[in-house]
Amino acid sequence: SAVISQKPSRDICQRGTSLTIQCQVDSQVTMMFWYRQQPGQSLTLIATANQGSEATYESGFVIDKFPISRPNLTFSTLTVSNMSPEDSSIYLCSVILDTPYNEQFFGPGTRLTVL
Amino acid sequence: KNEVEQSPQNLTAQEGEFITINCSYSVGISALHWLQQHPGGGIVSLFMLSSGKKKHGRLIATINIQEKHSSLHITASHPRDSAVYICAVIRTGTASKLTFGTGTRLQVTL
Repeated sequence: SAVISQKPSRDICQRGTSLTIQCQVDSQVTMMFWYRQQPGQSLTLIATANQGSEATYESGFVIDKFPISRPNLTFSTLTVSNMSPEDSSIYLCSVILDTPYNEQFFGPGTRLTVL
Repeated sequence: KNEVEQSPQNLTAQEGEFITINCSYSVGISALHWLQQHPGGGIVSLFMLSSGKKKHGRLIATINIQEKHSSLHITASHPRDSAVYICAVIRTGTASKLTFGTGTRLQVTL
């Protein structure tokens, strides 16, 4: 299995500011994803965090708004830039272990409230 | 129309009841996940299926690829089973990226 930690676990931020969320995994993984869950909604994939190269963003998400870093195989950050109340969500990272079973594990999430 | 539909959206059951949550999808998939999300927001993967049936404790998951349908069953439900259950699929050719259903909120009462 994989143990994933996220920091911060929650934050309340002012409109117009930026927040960087960290995701740390206890083992090296190739595939790491960032998801958003808006209030009352299901999860939506923001991007795939690629080690050593730019993240791959899904439709509707752009690098200027959600820059992602992946400096190594155990760590990634997601920044939510120039925040507005619409960015209030739970942000989760997830990983797929490098095994034949493709087991997917999720971080505990970061609950963000933008005032 | 969502590519992944779940029913029911909300479910209340009494302790001990047998529970079924359904998931239908309209795209080709390589695998399907059942996830559990507790009120704090953390998500746990319960099952990953590509065919047949899997059982873990009181949980059973089945999938019918031809009918594009999966079910999650909980036997002898307990209040600690109260959570949101989410069906998510890996669309064929999408390198393990998940497409999620809207979730089923389950409340098990004493």
